[in-house]
Amino acid sequence: VTQNPRYLITVTGKKLTVTCSQNMNHEYMSWYRQDPGMGLRLIHYSVGEGTTAKGEVPDGYNVSRLKKQNFLLGLESAAPSQTSVYFCASSWDYNSPLHFGNGTRLTVT
Amino acid sequence: AQSVAQPEDQVNVAEGNPLTVKCTYSVSGNPYLFWYVQYPNRGLQFLLKYITGDNLVKGSYGFEAEFNKSQTSFHLKKPSALVSDSALYFCAAGLLISSGSARQLTFGSGTQLTVLP
Repeated sequence: VTQNPRYLITVTGKKLTVTCSQNMNHEYMSWYRQDPGMGLRLIHYSVGEGTTAKGEVPDGYNVSRLKKQNFLLGLESAAPSQTSVYFCASSWDYNSPLHFGNGTRLTVT
Repeated sequence: AQSVAQPEDQVNVAEGNPLTVKCTYSVSGNPYLFWYVQYPNRGLQFLLKYITGDNLVKGSYGFEAEFNKSQTSFHLKKPSALVSDSALYFCAAGLLISSGSARQLTFGSGTQLTVLP
C-alpha cells in the first residue's frame, strides 16, 4: 500500500488530497487517522470500486474510489484539528488482516 | 457500540523475560480480534487474529494471544522478549455477524512496549 505524500504542511482553509494505491487487488480500502492516546479512528471506507461509506470520524473529509486500486482522501478546507497522521489500509474483506501504508503526516497551521 | 481498551500505555520488560500486553473488548455478540504492531514512522503490521476456534492463537515473530470470552480479553503474550520487540502495539475488535461477514474494526489506544537489554 503506497501513500503520497509522506509529509504535508498546509495552512487553514486550503484544499488538499492524499493518494493511496494498492496492487493486491483488494476490495476493501479505508482511511484512518492516528492521534496520540486515541489509537486509530476510521474516517471513510470502501468495499469496492465506486463505493464509499462513512466511518467513525468523517466530518471534514471526502473520499473517492474511481478505480479499484486507488482510494483518495480529500480535505475541502483544512483545519488545525485535522493535524494528524493518516493511514490508508486495504484488505480482502472485513475479516482479513489490513495492509497499511506508511502514513502521511499532515500539519495544518 | 463496540470498544477496545488497552489499560496500559506503557509496558517495560527485561530482555528474555515473558511479556504480556493487555486488551479487553466490548462487542455485542461474537467478536473477531486482531493484534497489530507499529514501528516508528511506519504503518501497522498484522501480528495475529482470532475469529473462531482455539482460544490460543499463534502469530508472527513468536507472539501468541489468548482469547478469554468470560473475561472479554485478548491479551498478547510472548515467552521471551527481544529488544527488537520494542514497538507500539494495537488491539482491534469487530463484530462477527456470520461466516464471511463482519463489521468495522475498532482499535484500542495502543501500548508502547519497551524491552530493556
